[in-house]
Amino acid sequence: AQSVTQLDSHVSVSEGTPVLLRCNYSSSYSPSLFWYVQHPNKGLQLLLKYTSAATLVKGINGFEAEFKKSETSFHLTKPSAHMSDAAEYFCVVIPRGTYKYIFGTGTRLKVLA
Amino acid sequence: NAGVTQTPKFQVLKTGQSMTLQCAQDMNHEYMSWYRQDPGMGLRLIHYSVGAGITDQGEVPNGYNVSRSTTEDFPLRLLSAAPSQTSVYFCASSGLAGGQADTQYFGPGTRLTVL
Repeated sequence: AQSVTQLDSHVSVSEGTPVLLRCNYSSSYSPSLFWYVQHPNKGLQLLLKYTSAATLVKGINGFEAEFKKSETSFHLTKPSAHMSDAAEYFCVVIPRGTYKYIFGTGTRLKVLA
Repeated sequence: NAGVTQTPKFQVLKTGQSMTLQCAQDMNHEYMSWYRQDPGMGLRLIHYSVGAGITDQGEVPNGYNVSRSTTEDFPLRLLSAAPSQTSVYFCASSGLAGGQADTQYFGPGTRLTVL
């Protein structure tokens, strides 16, 4: 079965330090991959998406993610965390040829002053 | 352009009651979907639709019905509410690219409590 695993349920970083949120997927064929962010009591907003073009994908607010087929990973990074980045982040896979979004269980990012 | 709208924002039901969560989008998107969000479980797909008159089940369809009579609207019906259906419900829509769903746009959510 196709799935997505977010390896950390909680991540804490200090303001100004790098952010790494890890995501691994399993899929028979090259999937579409997304990262969404959810701020407290808000809806979900797209950060970035991979759809088989460039493997390094740049998103909003300085985030980027690299698709690594050999490692089946799509980790989200940001060089320098800001207090406003505190939120929950979801990695999402759409197996190729399907209409079903499969969400990871989420990573809650805490940014310390 | 309102995007994806959901009503109501909050709802409290008693066990056994039925209700309909409304969802509408004004982006002419073919694809619409419903999710529930529970702590520690991410979002789980309930039902989805790829066009008017076409619906299919997602991961957790039991206890829920949907219909898609127009492109714009995709209501979710709870047939007989149970405490296990206490959750936050999100509706989303997207275009279809290359025969699959593209970037989804999410509504603000409905917080449902079943007593």
